[in-house]
Amino acid sequence: AQRVTQPEKLLSVFKGAPVELKCNYSYSGSPELFWYVQYSRQRLQLLLRHISRESIKGFTADLNKGETSFHLKKPFAQEEDSAMYYCALSGNYGGSQGNLIFGKGTKLSVKP
Amino acid sequence: EAQVTQNPRYLITVTGKKLTVTCSQNMNHEYMSWYRQDPGLGLRQIYYSMNVEVTDKGDVPEGYKVSRKEKRNFPLILESPSPNQTSLYFCASRQTGQGNGYTFGSGTRLTVV
Repeated sequence: AQRVTQPEKLLSVFKGAPVELKCNYSYSGSPELFWYVQYSRQRLQLLLRHISRESIKGFTADLNKGETSFHLKKPFAQEEDSAMYYCALSGNYGGSQGNLIFGKGTKLSVKP
Repeated sequence: EAQVTQNPRYLITVTGKKLTVTCSQNMNHEYMSWYRQDPGLGLRQIYYSMNVEVTDKGDVPEGYKVSRKEKRNFPLILESPSPNQTSLYFCASRQTGQGNGYTFGSGTRLTVV
Protein backbone atom coordinates (compact mmCIF):
# COMPACT_ATOMS: atom_id res chain seq x y z
CA ALA A 1 0.00 0.00 0.00
CA GLN A 2 1.10 3.54 -0.63
CA ARG A 3 1.94 5.52 2.47
CA VAL A 4 3.66 8.79 3.27
CA THR A 5 5.03 9.45 6.74
CA GLN A 6 6.06 12.83 8.06
CA PRO A 7 7.30 12.07 11.57
CA GLU A 8 7.34 15.62 12.89
CA LYS A 9 4.10 17.50 13.47
CA LEU A 10 5.96 20.66 14.38
CA LEU A 11 9.46 21.89 13.67
CA SER A 12 10.66 25.10 15.23
CA VAL A 13 13.95 26.76 14.23
CA PHE A 14 15.55 30.16 14.45
CA LYS A 15 16.04 32.41 11.45
CA GLY A 16 19.25 31.52 9.63
CA ALA A 17 19.36 27.96 10.95
CA PRO A 18 19.27 24.95 8.60
CA VAL A 19 15.98 23.18 8.13
CA GLU A 20 15.22 19.56 7.30
CA LEU A 21 11.63 18.35 7.02
CA LYS A 22 11.51 14.58 6.94
CA CYS A 23 9.42 12.47 4.60
CA ASN A 24 9.46 8.69 4.26
CA TYR A 25 7.33 6.72 1.88
CA SER A 26 6.16 3.21 1.23
CA TYR A 27 5.53 2.12 -2.33
CA SER A 28 6.44 -1.01 -4.22
CA GLY A 29 6.95 0.58 -7.64
CA SER A 30 8.66 3.74 -8.86
CA PRO A 31 7.09 6.65 -7.04
CA GLU A 32 6.85 10.30 -7.86
CA LEU A 33 7.37 12.53 -4.86
CA PHE A 34 6.25 16.09 -4.30
CA TRP A 35 6.43 18.74 -1.61
CA TYR A 36 3.51 21.12 -1.14
CA VAL A 37 3.43 24.24 1.03
CA GLN A 38 0.40 25.88 2.64
CA TYR A 39 0.82 29.37 4.04
CA SER A 40 -1.64 30.51 6.65
CA ARG A 41 -5.23 30.40 5.37
CA GLN A 42 -4.15 29.82 1.78
CA ARG A 43 -4.41 27.02 -0.73
CA LEU A 44 -1.78 24.34 -1.11
CA GLN A 45 0.93 25.20 -3.61
CA LEU A 46 3.32 22.86 -5.32
CA LEU A 47 6.82 23.56 -4.02
CA LEU A 48 9.02 20.82 -5.45
CA ARG A 49 8.83 17.67 -7.50
CA HIS A 50 11.59 15.08 -7.39
CA ILE A 51 11.61 14.55 -11.13
CA SER A 52 12.75 18.09 -11.90
CA ARG A 53 15.51 18.23 -9.27
CA GLU A 54 14.96 21.94 -8.90
CA SER A 55 15.52 24.41 -6.08
CA ILE A 56 12.58 26.63 -5.19
CA LYS A 57 12.83 29.43 -2.60
CA GLY A 58 16.12 27.89 -1.49
CA PHE A 59 14.55 24.50 -0.77
CA THR A 60 15.83 21.25 -2.23
CA ALA A 61 14.78 17.64 -1.87
CA ASP A 62 16.50 14.49 -3.04
CA LEU A 63 14.79 11.19 -3.57
CA ASN A 64 16.67 8.41 -1.77
CA LYS A 65 15.20 5.13 -2.97
CA GLY A 66 17.41 3.08 -0.66
CA GLU A 67 16.08 4.84 2.42
CA THR A 68 12.67 5.51 0.82
CA SER A 69 12.98 9.15 1.81
CA PHE A 70 12.39 12.55 0.25
CA HIS A 71 13.48 15.02 2.88
CA LEU A 72 13.08 18.75 2.28
CA LYS A 73 16.08 20.92 3.12
CA LYS A 74 17.04 24.55 3.27
CA PRO A 75 20.41 25.77 4.51
CA PHE A 76 19.21 29.07 6.03
CA ALA A 77 15.59 29.39 7.17
CA GLN A 78 13.70 32.66 6.75
CA GLU A 79 10.68 33.84 8.74
CA GLU A 80 8.56 33.76 5.59
CA ASP A 81 9.18 30.01 5.36
CA SER A 82 6.81 29.49 8.28
CA ALA A 83 3.99 27.32 6.91
CA MET A 84 2.59 23.81 6.74
CA TYR A 85 4.56 21.47 4.51
CA TYR A 86 3.09 18.32 3.00
CA CYS A 87 4.94 15.51 1.32
CA ALA A 88 2.94 13.64 -1.34
CA LEU A 89 3.42 10.49 -3.38
CA SER A 90 2.07 9.28 -6.68
CA GLY A 91 2.62 5.91 -8.27
CA ASN A 92 3.29 5.17 -11.93
CA TYR A 93 0.72 6.54 -14.29
CA GLY A 94 -2.25 4.53 -15.33
CA GLY A 95 -5.55 4.11 -13.56
CA SER A 96 -5.69 4.91 -9.89
CA GLN A 97 -1.94 4.95 -9.60
CA GLY A 98 -1.89 8.53 -10.85
CA ASN A 99 -3.45 9.60 -7.59
CA LEU A 100 -1.69 11.67 -4.93
CA ILE A 101 -1.42 10.49 -1.33
CA PHE A 102 -0.40 13.07 1.29
CA GLY A 103 1.44 12.83 4.56
CA LYS A 104 -0.07 14.46 7.63
CA GLY A 105 2.10 17.51 7.29
CA THR A 106 4.77 19.30 9.31
CA LYS A 107 4.27 22.79 10.61
CA LEU A 108 7.46 24.79 10.27
CA SER A 109 7.86 27.76 12.57
CA VAL A 110 10.83 30.06 11.99
CA LYS A 111 11.52 32.37 14.92
CA PRO A 112 13.27 35.72 14.56
CA GLU B 1 -5.61 32.32 -15.73
CA ALA B 2 -5.28 28.59 -15.10
CA GLN B 3 -7.11 27.78 -11.92
CA VAL B 4 -9.37 25.54 -9.88
CA THR B 5 -12.44 27.36 -8.62
CA GLN B 6 -14.46 26.19 -5.65
CA ASN B 7 -17.72 27.60 -4.39
CA PRO B 8 -18.72 28.60 -1.84
CA ARG B 9 -15.67 29.63 0.19
CA TYR B 10 -17.59 29.45 3.45
CA LEU B 11 -20.77 27.58 4.30
CA ILE B 12 -22.68 27.06 7.50
CA THR B 13 -25.53 24.59 7.34
CA VAL B 14 -27.72 22.44 9.56
CA THR B 15 -27.59 18.70 10.02
CA GLY B 16 -29.42 16.82 7.31
CA LYS B 17 -29.78 19.61 4.78
CA LYS B 18 -28.36 18.50 1.44
CA LEU B 19 -25.60 20.64 -0.01
CA THR B 20 -23.28 20.74 -3.00
CA VAL B 21 -19.82 22.24 -3.19
CA THR B 22 -18.86 23.01 -6.77
CA CYS B 23 -15.43 22.65 -8.31
CA SER B 24 -14.42 23.71 -11.78
CA GLN B 25 -11.05 23.74 -13.56
CA ASN B 26 -10.11 25.44 -16.83
CA MET B 27 -6.95 23.48 -17.63
CA ASN B 28 -8.50 20.46 -19.35
CA HIS B 29 -7.08 18.19 -16.64
CA GLU B 30 -8.09 14.55 -16.56
CA TYR B 31 -7.62 13.91 -12.84
CA MET B 32 -9.70 15.65 -10.21
CA SER B 33 -9.90 14.99 -6.52
CA TRP B 34 -11.53 16.10 -3.29
CA TYR B 35 -9.70 16.27 0.02
CA ARG B 36 -10.69 17.28 3.50
CA GLN B 37 -8.22 18.88 5.83
CA ASP B 38 -8.55 18.49 9.58
CA PRO B 39 -6.11 19.52 12.35
CA GLY B 40 -3.66 16.73 13.14
CA LEU B 41 -4.96 14.54 10.33
CA GLY B 42 -3.55 16.37 7.33
CA LEU B 43 -5.21 15.92 3.95
CA ARG B 44 -7.42 12.91 3.47
CA GLN B 45 -8.82 12.02 0.10
CA ILE B 46 -12.57 11.70 -0.22
CA TYR B 47 -13.10 10.83 -3.89
CA TYR B 48 -11.14 11.14 -7.07
CA SER B 49 -11.86 10.96 -10.77
CA MET B 50 -9.55 9.83 -13.54
CA ASN B 51 -11.75 11.21 -16.30
CA VAL B 52 -15.36 11.86 -17.29
CA GLU B 53 -17.74 9.29 -15.80
CA VAL B 54 -14.84 7.58 -13.95
CA THR B 55 -14.81 8.10 -10.19
CA ASP B 56 -13.48 6.12 -7.24
CA LYS B 57 -13.43 6.25 -3.49
CA GLY B 58 -10.56 7.71 -1.55
CA ASP B 59 -9.76 7.11 2.11
CA VAL B 60 -12.85 8.74 3.65
CA PRO B 61 -15.78 8.52 1.20
CA GLU B 62 -18.57 7.85 3.72
CA GLY B 63 -21.27 10.51 3.63
CA TYR B 64 -20.13 12.01 0.33
CA LYS B 65 -21.00 11.63 -3.33
CA VAL B 66 -19.41 12.99 -6.47
CA SER B 67 -20.13 13.11 -10.16
CA ARG B 68 -18.03 13.80 -13.23
CA LYS B 69 -20.38 14.46 -16.13
CA GLU B 70 -18.05 16.98 -17.73
CA LYS B 71 -14.29 17.17 -17.69
CA ARG B 72 -14.14 20.59 -16.07
CA ASN B 73 -16.58 20.02 -13.18
CA PHE B 74 -16.37 17.74 -10.15
CA PRO B 75 -19.02 18.64 -7.56
CA LEU B 76 -18.99 17.24 -4.03
CA ILE B 77 -22.41 16.35 -2.66
CA LEU B 78 -23.34 15.85 0.96
CA GLU B 79 -26.79 14.26 0.94
CA SER B 80 -27.31 14.48 4.71
CA PRO B 81 -24.52 16.46 6.35
CA SER B 82 -23.53 15.72 9.91
CA PRO B 83 -21.36 17.70 12.37
CA ASN B 84 -18.40 15.35 11.83
CA GLN B 85 -18.24 16.64 8.27
CA THR B 86 -17.31 20.07 9.54
CA SER B 87 -13.97 20.60 7.84
CA LEU B 88 -11.94 22.48 5.27
CA TYR B 89 -12.42 20.97 1.81
CA PHE B 90 -10.08 21.26 -1.14
CA CYS B 91 -10.67 20.38 -4.75
CA ALA B 92 -7.66 19.71 -6.96
CA SER B 93 -6.94 18.78 -10.55
CA ARG B 94 -3.98 17.32 -12.36
CA GLN B 95 -2.82 16.71 -15.90
CA THR B 96 -1.62 13.19 -16.69
CA GLY B 97 2.06 12.96 -17.39
CA GLN B 98 5.10 12.40 -15.25
CA GLY B 99 5.94 15.10 -12.80
CA ASN B 100 2.63 16.94 -12.86
CA GLY B 101 1.38 17.84 -9.42
CA TYR B 102 -2.12 18.83 -8.44
CA THR B 103 -3.40 22.40 -8.69
CA PHE B 104 -5.58 23.21 -5.70
CA GLY B 105 -8.64 25.35 -5.24
CA SER B 106 -8.86 27.95 -2.47
CA GLY B 107 -10.84 25.71 -0.19
CA THR B 108 -14.35 25.59 1.24
CA ARG B 109 -14.78 25.89 4.97
CA LEU B 110 -17.91 23.95 5.91
CA THR B 111 -19.56 24.06 9.30
CA VAL B 112 -22.44 21.70 10.06
CA VAL B 113 -24.44 22.56 13.19
